[in-house]
This record gives sequence, structure tokens and C-alpha cells, in this order.
Amino acid sequence: GDSVTQMEGPVTLSEEAFLTINCTYTATGYPSLFWYVQYPGEGLQLLLKATKADDKGSNKGFEATYRKETTSFHLEKGSVQVSDSAVYFCALSDHGNRDDKIIFGKGTRLHILP
Amino acid sequence: AAGVIQSPRHLIKEKRETATLKCYPIPRHDTVYWYQQGPGQDPQFLISFYEKMQSDKGSIPDRFSAQQFSDYHSELNMSSLELGDSALYFCASSLRTARGIQYFGAGTRLSVL
Repeated sequence: GDSVTQMEGPVTLSEEAFLTINCTYTATGYPSLFWYVQYPGEGLQLLLKATKADDKGSNKGFEATYRKETTSFHLEKGSVQVSDSAVYFCALSDHGNRDDKIIFGKGTRLHILP
Repeated sequence: AAGVIQSPRHLIKEKRETATLKCYPIPRHDTVYWYQQGPGQDPQFLISFYEKMQSDKGSIPDRFSAQQFSDYHSELNMSSLELGDSALYFCASSLRTARGIQYFGAGTRLSVL
């Protein structure tokens, strides 16, 4: 079945460092891809999305490009801030099977040190 | 803009009790989803409704049931609660045409003692 694999955390970086969180997926249809962020004690917020191959999603300085050839959707940010500390979930929704539930990766906890 | 509203935010129950979680989707959204997130885990899909009919079913225990009402709000009913049911329960809503983009509520944190 469909699945999402993302790099395990925790990831600890200094403020202003470059961030990459790797994410790959397996899907039988034509998925939309997402990154969700969960701040401590809060719910899930949609960070960015891409609905077809080669689309680039971006928000708050974060970017991810939908790479069908490598089945990847890596999250990047050029200069992280302490306020970016959170858990990041890569996720997909596979419409090819008319099954639009979201499948999440295991999440990557990010700690940014001042 | 209106978001997905879940109530209550926190709920404490004893084993074998029942619980009802409520979800009010974003206005004009036609699909509601329920997810369960255990401590330190990723959210797992439980069940979804499209236009008040059950649309898809995931790893939802038989002790749980859900429905969507005529005003599109949804309720998740949980009976014979077990310690392992302690989790954060999210509701999300979407427009079926919106390519899987779901908006999540803040969640209900259920603690079973």
C-alpha cells in the first residue's frame, strides 16, 4: 500500500543553519504531497503542498519540490529560526485510487538552538 | 477565516466509560476525516464522511463509531474505553475537489485513566 518514509529525528541545528528533511513516498496512484508542522502542544498545520510532478510548494521560507522520478518531496529552508522548532510530517493523499485519506510519515522532530 | 472546530479540547475518562468527540468542519466543506495520534506517533486515519455518508474506513476499532449530521458536523463515539485509547484525536475537513488538501482542527486530547 501507499507509504511515506522520512528521516528520523531528532534533528538539532543552530539558528541560521540550512535545513533538509528527506522524504520519499510510495503510491499506486497520483498523489498530492504535503508537509504538515506540529508545534508543541498544538494541532497539525499545513505548511506547504504540491499536487503534481515538478510543482514546488513554499511557505514561510520552507520549500519542497515534487520529484516523481525519485518519488521524493524533501523539505528545505535556507536559514532556520528558533521558532521553527516543531515536529514536521511528510504526507500524501492518493487520488488515483479515489482514496483521499492522508498517510503520514513518522515525523521528524526539529530542535533549533539559539 | 473559519477553521475546523473540535470539542472538547481535553477529556479525561475512566476505563470502560464512553466518550463523544465533536467536530465542526469549515463551512461549505463536504468531507470530514478523523485521525488518531498516539503519544510520539504519526496520525492514523480512522474514518471519513462525504456528504454525510461514510466514505472510507481505516484502523478504527469496532468499539468506535462515527457519523456526520445534516449540518455537516461529525461526532466520534468511543465506548468501552481502554488505556490504549489515550491519544490526540484530530478532525479534518476538505472539499472533495481540492486534491486532498485537508484542514485540521486543534484536536481533542483524550486521557483514559
